[in-house]
Order: sequence, then structure tokens, then C-alpha cells
Amino acid sequence: QKEVEQNSGPLSVPEGAIASLNCTYSDRGSQSFFWYRQYSGKSPELIMFIYSNGDKEDGRFTAQLNKASQYVSLLIRDSQPSDSATYLCAVNTPGNQFYFGTGTSLTVIP
Amino acid sequence: KAGVTQTPRYLIKTRGQQVTLSCSPISGHRSVSWYQQTPGQGLQFLFEYFSETQRNKGNFPGRFSGRQFSNSRSEMNVSTLELGDSALYLCASSLALHGGTDEQYFGPGTRLTVT
Repeated sequence: QKEVEQNSGPLSVPEGAIASLNCTYSDRGSQSFFWYRQYSGKSPELIMFIYSNGDKEDGRFTAQLNKASQYVSLLIRDSQPSDSATYLCAVNTPGNQFYFGTGTSLTVIP
Repeated sequence: KAGVTQTPRYLIKTRGQQVTLSCSPISGHRSVSWYQQTPGQGLQFLFEYFSETQRNKGNFPGRFSGRQFSNSRSEMNVSTLELGDSALYLCASSLALHGGTDEQYFGPGTRLTVT
């Protein structure tokens, strides 16, 4: 079983819609959770992090964490074509080891 | 504050050669991690250095090695290059807060092509 699993997609949503990206992790001791956005040919860019159960909002982005279900999600409201990218989920364990999912490719259709 | 920097940005090498990549972390960050990214495999963790010591290691052959200097700058070396080593090599730095609660920031990467 992989440490972090994501649906690889591709996920397509129309402009203005809500994009929902999901991630599960296996280490119950994981303390922090991250979403990175990666444009083609570029390095991953940190867009959200969350440590506590519940929701964390930052602009059009909302991260949701459910530690009991070992589930993290990212919602992108009012999706824009510029949001088209691959989104990587990552977790950090108490040993400071980061694990990344394989990423979900998102396309926002104008 | 300046971000993570990596040099060189692009590199072309021949099979059998060796290569050294460099990474300068964000000022104050003590942990440096290295990743290999290929289209088929995604982000693969190579190793992490903290206070000049390798703290974590991924599942890569011994041809891949690294080190960290007292100023937290890090280098990784790949010896006897193979065609399959062609990839984007990413360096990421973090504060390395106790308990694994800090964020990791990536550099722009070094694109290595082995011919």
C-alpha cells in the first residue's frame, strides 16, 4: 500500500465550477498535510497546508482534513483556466519524512 | 526572503559520466530533501539531510549520494549515469520543526538528460 494515494484523473471541470481533489494516506501518525500545484515543466508550488481536523480556507482554496478517515481534500471554487495543473498531495510524518501522491491532473475548460 | 535555488538548471551528460547538482535552501532552513521526478514515476524521494547528516533515505541505488555543508547547502551526486537517470531533480527545504509540522518548499529543479 502506498503512503499517499490520489486519483490520477484527469479531472475536467468547466470554468467557474468547483473542482474537488481527494487524497488518502496510510500513516495514522502523520501530523501535517499539504497540497502542491505543479504546472507542466515547473517545480511544485505549495498552495495549502493543514494540521487540524476540519476545513481551512485561503481565497478560492479550501483544504479539508479528516484524520479518523485518513482523508484530505482540496476544493477549488470558481475554477479558472489558470488552475489547470497537476495537484500533489503530501503528508509529513513525525520522523519528518514527506510522502507525495502521484498527483491529479486538473483541466479547467473555458 | 530568497527561495530555494538549484544549479545548474539544465544538464546534458553521457552514459557512464557522473554529475553533481547543487541546492541552496531558504535562509534559516536546516533540512534539505532531494527528489527525482519522471513522467512515469512521479516524485520519488532520494534522501534528506539535516545538520550535515543524512536523516532519511529513499530506495535508490548507491550511485546516488549526497551531502550537506555547515551552511545547509547541499549537493547530490550521481555516478555512472544511466539513460534512466534522465529526470527533473528537485531540491526542497524546510525548517525541520520537531514533530513533522513544517512545510517544504521546492527549488526550480535541475533537468538532467543522459544520452
